[in-house]
Amino acid sequence: DTGVSQNPRHKITKRGQNVTFRCDPISEHNRLYWYRQTLGQGPEFLTYFQNEAQLEKSRLLSDRFSAERPKGSFSTLEIQRTEQGDSAMYLCASSLRQGARNTGELFFGEGSRLTVL
Amino acid sequence: AQSVTQPDIHITVSEGASLELRCNYSYGATPYLFWYVQSPGQGLQLLLKYFSGDTLVQGIKGFEAEFKRSQSSFNLRKPSVHWSDAAEYFCAVGNSASGGSYIPTFGRGTSLIVHP
Repeated sequence: DTGVSQNPRHKITKRGQNVTFRCDPISEHNRLYWYRQTLGQGPEFLTYFQNEAQLEKSRLLSDRFSAERPKGSFSTLEIQRTEQGDSAMYLCASSLRQGARNTGELFFGEGSRLTVL
Repeated sequence: AQSVTQPDIHITVSEGASLELRCNYSYGATPYLFWYVQSPGQGLQLLLKYFSGDTLVQGIKGFEAEFKRSQSSFNLRKPSVHWSDAAEYFCAVGNSASGGSYIPTFGRGTSLIVHP
């Protein structure tokens, strides 16, 4: 299957611990997005990359959050000193930008669910 | 800034009945518009999209949506709902301008409940 892959699918951690999520996008996609989804809400934008460059970050992304896409392929999202309010589903999506025009749809992974105790 | 409103948090229909889920957007020009479906514990799957052209778009699983510029709406419809359609549905808008950031914005979702 060549879809977007995320792992781990589930992570339970204690408050104050660090966690890292990984996302492998569709191989030819140059854009990669991280969204956060809490119960009863739609996905909220966190950050996105075009190739290895992080182009934009949401104000939701506090300094405890950091994302990387070192070689323009997979990406990691790290949360340091987790808090109970970080409990959510973290969704990764990828898309393809062609030429100068913004294009299309995002292809989502199945998400990584974080529970902070 | 673009935004999306899905006014219905829950919709309940009987199996076989028709369905319409509402979506209103705010954007200064003609946007890109999407409907996604999310089953419990799963990621989002694209149902259909509108970029330009024909304002009535067909999607997967028998869904369709109509872009109405005058109403800033992009409502999702299905003529006959199946029990397997029970899920969360999200409308999203993306900016169509060349250059700049491309960050699709999602509505809060509508939960579809299907009664047998």
